[in-house]
Amino acid sequence: DIQMTQSPSTLSASVGDRVTITCRASQSISSWLAWYQQKPGKAPKLLIYKASSLESGVPSRFSGSGSGTEFTLTISSLQPDDFATYYCQQWRTFGQGTKVEIK
Amino acid sequence: EVQLVESGGGLIQPGGSLRLSCAASGFTVSSNYMSWVRQAPGKGLEWVSVIYSGGSTYYADSVKGRFTISRDNSKNTLYLQMNSLRAEDTAVYYCAREGVDGDYRFDPWGQGTLVTVSS
Repeated sequence: DIQMTQSPSTLSASVGDRVTITCRASQSISSWLAWYQQKPGKAPKLLIYKASSLESGVPSRFSGSGSGTEFTLTISSLQPDDFATYYCQQWRTFGQGTKVEIK
Repeated sequence: EVQLVESGGGLIQPGGSLRLSCAASGFTVSSNYMSWVRQAPGKGLEWVSVIYSGGSTYYADSVKGRFTISRDNSKNTLYLQMNSLRAEDTAVYYCAREGVDGDYRFDPWGQGTLVTVSS
């Protein structure tokens, strides 16, 4: 099975910061990677699919990049609504999550 | 509007059974791959089971032999029958539509239903 490893596990940042989260696959997955945002008590929300395609309605400050085994989710200017936990996903495997906290 | 609404969660004793439901609107369950994903308290997301449009079913090793996924096409509803429940099955259970042909995104998701296994 392919393993997905996210880093960091927790990230402290301020409003306006540029934030980058990394996801590594244990073997090449081409561009078949999705990113989700989850807030406490809520279901995950799809942000990015096929590594870099922005889901409809998601703010353009979110972007995804990468292929093969290394991928990144970038928030260009962190907003108050962005403090949440982020997960990467390939097929039926999720990364362990990255919690973005207020610094 | 494409929407999923789960129901059926609750408090159940170890060894007991529970059936979760996931009612879909805005799309046809039987024409899609439909999955259950769970999240234990304070933990990450864990895929549980999938039913393909053709009817094939697959399960995570942690629930194989105890859980059964099914659907009722007339009700456009997905189910998860959970038997021999254990404390480690305590989680919020989400249903989600799964993508196909490599693009295995989960979207949409239901709001989740909490299953608590405890005596």
